[in-house]
Amino acid sequence: AQTVTQSQPEMSVQEAETVTLSCTYDTSESDYYLFWYKQPPSRQMILVIRQEAYKQQNATENRFSVNFQKAAKSFSLKISDSQLGDAAMYFCAYPNAYSGAGSYQLTFGKGTKLSVIP
Amino acid sequence: DAMVIQNPRYQVTQFGKPVTLSCSQTLNHNVMYWYQQKSSQAPKLLFHYYDKDFNNEADTPDNFQSRRPNTSFCFLDIRSPGLGDAAMYLCATSSLLTGSYEQYFGPGTRLTVT
Repeated sequence: AQTVTQSQPEMSVQEAETVTLSCTYDTSESDYYLFWYKQPPSRQMILVIRQEAYKQQNATENRFSVNFQKAAKSFSLKISDSQLGDAAMYFCAYPNAYSGAGSYQLTFGKGTKLSVIP
Repeated sequence: DAMVIQNPRYQVTQFGKPVTLSCSQTLNHNVMYWYQQKSSQAPKLLFHYYDKDFNNEADTPDNFQSRRPNTSFCFLDIRSPGLGDAAMYLCATSSLLTGSYEQYFGPGTRLTVT
């Protein structure tokens, strides 16, 4: 079974600095997606960034980038120039397809609570 | 903007009194999910609909039921809420036609049981 592990329950970063959140996962699949979701105090879960395993290039979205190490099954999120609005819970997630495809279950890590210090 | 909408945002119910939470979507996605999220925890999948096909997770209590009358709407029914059912309930949607496995989440309904 696929598992997702986030080993940092809480982290903090100074405003304008850079922070990296860690995620490791386990899968026997060769092609898959990985996601980082952000859940601010308002609680709406939004997608921050996605990575397709077959792509060599690490995904980037503005100040957010990932370090995807497929062999090591590692998928860390780097937030550059941290802003107060980045304060949130961050969940790493792996989509597991149900048999017959079409729908799938997101396996989430336990989350990392990020605080941004002004 | 296309979105996932949940009503109400806050719901208070009494112990044992049935309650229904609603979710609607304008994304025209064929899959809809219900999650339960307790404080400082990851969301836990309760069940999902793939089109009209209902898929229950093995550890979802019988107290939780769902209905999907059409593509746009999905309801979560809690037949006899207990204090342990107080949580945030998240609705999400997905479609393989988007080209990825991303799920789109609504803002959630916070359920309080008194």
